[in-house]
Amino acid sequence: DVKVTQSSRYLVKRTGEKVFLECVQDMDHENMFWYRQDPGLGLRLIYFSYDVKMKEKGDIPEGYSVSREKKERFSLILESASTNQTSMYLCASSSYRVANEKLFFGSGTQLSVL
Amino acid sequence: AQTVTQSQPEMSVQEAETVTLSCTYDTSESDYYLFWYKQPPSRQMILVIRQEAYKQQNATENRFSVNFQKAAKSFSLKISDSQLGDAAMYFCAYRMPNTDKLIFGTGTRLQVFP
Repeated sequence: DVKVTQSSRYLVKRTGEKVFLECVQDMDHENMFWYRQDPGLGLRLIYFSYDVKMKEKGDIPEGYSVSREKKERFSLILESASTNQTSMYLCASSSYRVANEKLFFGSGTQLSVL
Repeated sequence: AQTVTQSQPEMSVQEAETVTLSCTYDTSESDYYLFWYKQPPSRQMILVIRQEAYKQQNATENRFSVNFQKAAKSFSLKISDSQLGDAAMYFCAYRMPNTDKLIFGTGTRLQVFP
């Protein structure tokens, strides 16, 4: 089974801190994604990557950056955390070699910024 | 821009009964993919069912089936013989061909009563 692992299930940070959310997948997937999930808003795409060192902005990239130095790892960075970034963050991966491939998700990181 | 709308924030069903979750979407494309994902309390997103827009036949996976009406841009999920384990958040999602990004609806929380 494909495994997408997010390094932390719960995280508490202070306003202004630099925050790293890590995601690792073990199925050699080309595509990796970071979504943010908020009640009443569903999942919104922050950033995605189709390949190593490649990144594209999603719908809500402001306040975030990403890094993909290795194929299996995709990091989400909050340069200076703010309270409005308190949310559930979901990482996902997929392969573009498979037609109509589904996304495989991690279990999420619940981030609280105080 | 493509949008996905789930107009039912919460639904409930009695065990063994049938429930239908609604989803509508807006697109000018003729070829695309639609998905229903389930998110139980564990937070792990699980693919329930998927539909290719060019296929007229409605997708079915065991107790789960869809009513896909392309002209109306409607993609509802029917759960038959509901079980307690079906209790979860359900998200409808849209994807254009040649892209791996999913656009999600706001979700429907399904409660199942014994």
